Amino acid sequence: SQTIHQWPATLVQPVGSPLSLECTVEGTSNPNLYWYRQAAGRGLQLLFYSIGIDQISSEVPQNLSASRPQDRQFILSSKKLLLSDSGFYLCAWSPNAVEKLFFGSGTQLSVL
Amino acid sequence: SQELEQSPQSLIVQEGKNLTINCTSSKTLYGLYWYKQKYGEGLIFLMMLQKGGEEKSHEKITAKLDEKKQQSSLHITASQPSHAGIYLCGADAQTGANNLFFGTGTRLTVIP
Repeated sequence: SQTIHQWPATLVQPVGSPLSLECTVEGTSNPNLYWYRQAAGRGLQLLFYSIGIDQISSEVPQNLSASRPQDRQFILSSKKLLLSDSGFYLCAWSPNAVEKLFFGSGTQLSVL
Repeated sequence: SQELEQSPQSLIVQEGKNLTINCTSSKTLYGLYWYKQKYGEGLIFLMMLQKGGEEKSHEKITAKLDEKKQQSSLHITASQPSHAGIYLCGADAQTGANNLFFGTGTRLTVIP
């Protein structure tokens, strides 16, 4: 069966520090991968999605970037965190463009 | 751009009571998803609706998509404490990559 792993679960970082959140999927190949952010009191916002290795699409211009160095690995990064980057980050995958999304357990990021 | 509005934003019910959560779109929905989120955790897929007038049920949860495909409702019968959480409706952004955008969510509290 397929599983999705996301870490760390919580992270507290100072403003201006770098960020790296990692997400891996097991039990499937060539999944579509997604990064969502959920800010306090707001809905989920799609940040990036990827349909293949090194194929990244950005939905929202921001201080963040994403990379997919391997088929089942999706990384969310920032060179310098801003206060506004705080939120709950969720990684998700889907088998293709029409199937439902499966979400990871999320990372609570607090930028202080 | 298309938006999803959920109502109510929060709901407190006594155990055993029925409840309904609504999700309204500004445009036609081509795929409507219901997810449940426990606080600080990932999303769990509940149901997907695609056809106008479609209705699906799982245990005590029923979801419907209206004929015009612009509104969906989630109905819980005889609510239990295990139903508590945040319910999110998501819609297919029609970009060809299964990108979902979400409503702001409905926080459900069930009082034993």
